Amino acid sequence: GAGVSQSPSNKVTEKGKDVELRCDPISGHTALYWYRQSLGQGLEFLIYFQGNSAPDKSGLPSDRFSAERTGGSVSTLTIQRTQQEDSAVYLCASSRATGEETQYFGPGTRLLVL
Amino acid sequence: EDQVTQSPEALRLQEGESSSLNCSYTVSGLRGLFWYRQDPGKGPEFLFTLYSAGEEKEKERLKATLTKKESFLHITAPKPEDSATYLCAVQVRGGSYIPTFGRGTSLIVHP
Repeated sequence: GAGVSQSPSNKVTEKGKDVELRCDPISGHTALYWYRQSLGQGLEFLIYFQGNSAPDKSGLPSDRFSAERTGGSVSTLTIQRTQQEDSAVYLCASSRATGEETQYFGPGTRLLVL
Repeated sequence: EDQVTQSPEALRLQEGESSSLNCSYTVSGLRGLFWYRQDPGKGPEFLFTLYSAGEEKEKERLKATLTKKESFLHITAPKPEDSATYLCAVQVRGGSYIPTFGRGTSLIVHP
């Protein structure tokens, strides 16, 4: 079956603009995770969803970051008023349930803020 | 604070030259340790989960082992197609389900 998909694959934006990143998890997976990966850094956890609710938002770096998930499926990560330090690869992963160890990752969205 | 440290940061091997990657961790209680492989421009791909000290898992030329303080990913007779970044992550017992990732080891295998 289809894996996790993310769009766009690449995004170049100007400082101060808003961006939306989309994640389509594997069908039937109830848990969805967003991570950020900067050059030379490990994966930084941002937020996760169990169904449509987000029990843990502790990883969001600032109030410019928000995420939502509708219908227990597609999720959107929104970054408002982008800054150059937001440049990174944003990865989405899904798993059958929270605590299920196998997270399946999408290919990521490469964001460059000029 | 839970910590995961991977070493070396980068490793260059000749084809057929076996070696090991290390992942040391400091957590209050380990629920699981995961190994992922990440190719350039792609998301991480799951390899193994280890739960308890002494456990071992194998897949082709890769074998992962676990002790109470660290995990090793042994690569036997590597091939150029094994070149990738290998990520280690730990999940803490009784805590959040969110794994903590190390920074990875970049492996290059020369033909």
